This record gives sequence, structure tokens and C-alpha cells, in this order.
Amino acid sequence: AQSVTQLDSQVPVFEEAPVELRCNYSSSVSVYLFWYVQYPNQGLQLLLKYLSGSTLVKGINGFEAEFNKSQTSFHLRKPSVHISDTAEYFCAVSGEGAQKLVFGQGTRLTINP
Amino acid sequence: EAGVAQSPRYKIIEKRQSVAFWCNPISGHATLYWYQQILGQGPKLLIQFQNNGVVDDSQLPKDRFSAERLKGVDSTLKIQPAKLEDSAVYLCASSSTTTNEKLFFGSGTQLSVL
Repeated sequence: AQSVTQLDSQVPVFEEAPVELRCNYSSSVSVYLFWYVQYPNQGLQLLLKYLSGSTLVKGINGFEAEFNKSQTSFHLRKPSVHISDTAEYFCAVSGEGAQKLVFGQGTRLTINP
Repeated sequence: EAGVAQSPRYKIIEKRQSVAFWCNPISGHATLYWYQQILGQGPKLLIQFQNNGVVDDSQLPKDRFSAERLKGVDSTLKIQPAKLEDSAVYLCASSSTTTNEKLFFGSGTQLSVL
């Protein structure tokens, strides 16, 4: 079975500063990894995903994440954040194919002007 | 393209009452999911449908929760009777594939059980 741990429940940063949201996973099989974003009063939206191939994955809104198999991590990064990035971010993992998607607890990103 | 529609947006009930949530997925999406998101936690899968068949309901509390997807399109999730611990946001999602590569989520139904 897969599991996900998001190491920070809240991350406050200043506008235009870089940010990293940390995610570690546990799995005994090959995995697919995802980051979803939930803006206030909206549903979750896929930010980016790793299925195979290049370990550096680029997503929407300038975000990127790096799959590190040896450290079982999939940290999300953005070099310069904007007020509009204020949201809850969820890391998720599933086994290959149609296996269940398991979400982490979420990290609330707050951008201060 | 219309997104995943859910209703109602909010629901307040007393414990032991029953409640139902409705979801209409994106047109053509064969896979439909119901997730429960308790405050401060990530979404937890309750049930997954492929067309109108159940793929995974291992985490659905079947003594009180039921779900159906008639004709492989929209779906209803029911709780009867509700408990205090059922207070959560119930999210519906759909996908055009049989894998989890990309899910489209609705805005959810926020349930408060008093």
C-alpha cells in the first residue's frame, strides 16, 4: 500500500520569494506521483504529475517538482510566488495503472505582500 | 467544457438523519470517484466507479454509506444514518481514463452533522 507525508502543514512566504513544499511517499511498487492545488472555494486541480521518464516535471503556473527515488520524495518548487498562489497543495501517490490515489494531508501556502 | 457538477453546496443535518449528495461528471468520463475530506486531512477515496460498475469500495462504510451510478453517468452518495464524524466535504471527481493520471474535481458538498 502507498502512503504520503507532507512535512509542513503551513508555509508562509513573501511575494516573489521562492518556495518549496515537501512531500515524501512510501510504496513497495513503482509509483505515479501528483501535486494537486485547491484554491479557496474551488475543487482540486492537477498541478503536475510524474508517471515515468524525466525526474524533473514542470506543471502549470510556473511550478515544478523533482522525483527522487532514493529519498522517496517529490518536492514542489516555484522560484517566485505570487499572491494568486495562495491555496492548499496536496501531494498524492498511486501505484501504476488503476490503483487507488492516496493523498497527503495538505500544505497551506500563504503569500504575504 | 463544463466541469464536474455537485449539489448541494452545503448541508446541515442532525445526527441519525439521512442525506444524499449528487454528482454529474464531465461528459464522456467513464470513471467517477467519491472522496471524503475531513477538515485538516487530505481527501480519502470512498468509492470508484467504472461506468456503472464498482471498481473499489474498500473504504466505504457500507453499514451507513451507499452509492450508485445509474446508466454510467451521474451518481448519488447517501448516508443513513449520519454520525457526527461524517462531518466533512464530499468531493466528486471524474476521469476519462481507467487510470488515475488526471482527475477533475467538483467543488464539493460541505456536510455538517450536529
